[in-house]
Amino acid sequence: NAGVTQTPKFQVLKTGQSMTLQCAQDMNHNSMYWYRQDPGMGLRLIYYSASEGTTDKGEVPNGYNVSRLNKREFSLRLESAAPSQTSVYFCASLRVQAMGETQYFGPGTRLLVL
Amino acid sequence: AQSVAQPEDQVNVAEGNPLTVKCTYSVSGNPYLFWYVQYPNRGLQFLLKYITGDNLVKGSYGFEAEFNKSQTSFHLKKPSALVSDSALYFCAVRAALYNFNKFYFGSGTKLNVKP
Repeated sequence: NAGVTQTPKFQVLKTGQSMTLQCAQDMNHNSMYWYRQDPGMGLRLIYYSASEGTTDKGEVPNGYNVSRLNKREFSLRLESAAPSQTSVYFCASLRVQAMGETQYFGPGTRLLVL
Repeated sequence: AQSVAQPEDQVNVAEGNPLTVKCTYSVSGNPYLFWYVQYPNRGLQFLLKYITGDNLVKGSYGFEAEFNKSQTSFHLKKPSALVSDSALYFCAVRAALYNFNKFYFGSGTKLNVKP
């Protein structure tokens, strides 16, 4: 199993440009997440998808859109990038077991908006 | 509202000494609590979790955490620190009954273990 994969690993954008961050998991998990990580602020939830076909806003959804393309893939789109969106973005999926849940994280995408 | 606080930005400890990384939480109802570790330029890795049962939870790499309901704390501990334990540690919580899929993370604590 590859686990959770993310592309690209690093991206530089100019203000106003758009891009899509890709995430895929091969663990057959229903729930998937997008977080951003900023120094001193930990991880903040942007959007999540409880199951295929559903998406919900997290703490900081403004400026982002998501698509749950199928069970495996959950993409994050920046329509018009702003310097405030410079961050490290992590995708995660959720394994649910009888003894509780565990999130599995991808390696991250480092985004710099100039 | 659900929240997690990690009061220390950084913890310094000498190799071989015990370590504690603090976490307190606020959640409606019973909490599900987690610790994750992040090494440089990597994603977060699961260490351990508390769902129910014994207040002392054992996890990966010799780490353990103690759930204290009265103090609403879930501190991460290790009896003898290694230099390789140096990393960024995150505490997370989710409410047991609702916000089923939402997890709330602390701001992270950087652990420095010196030889």
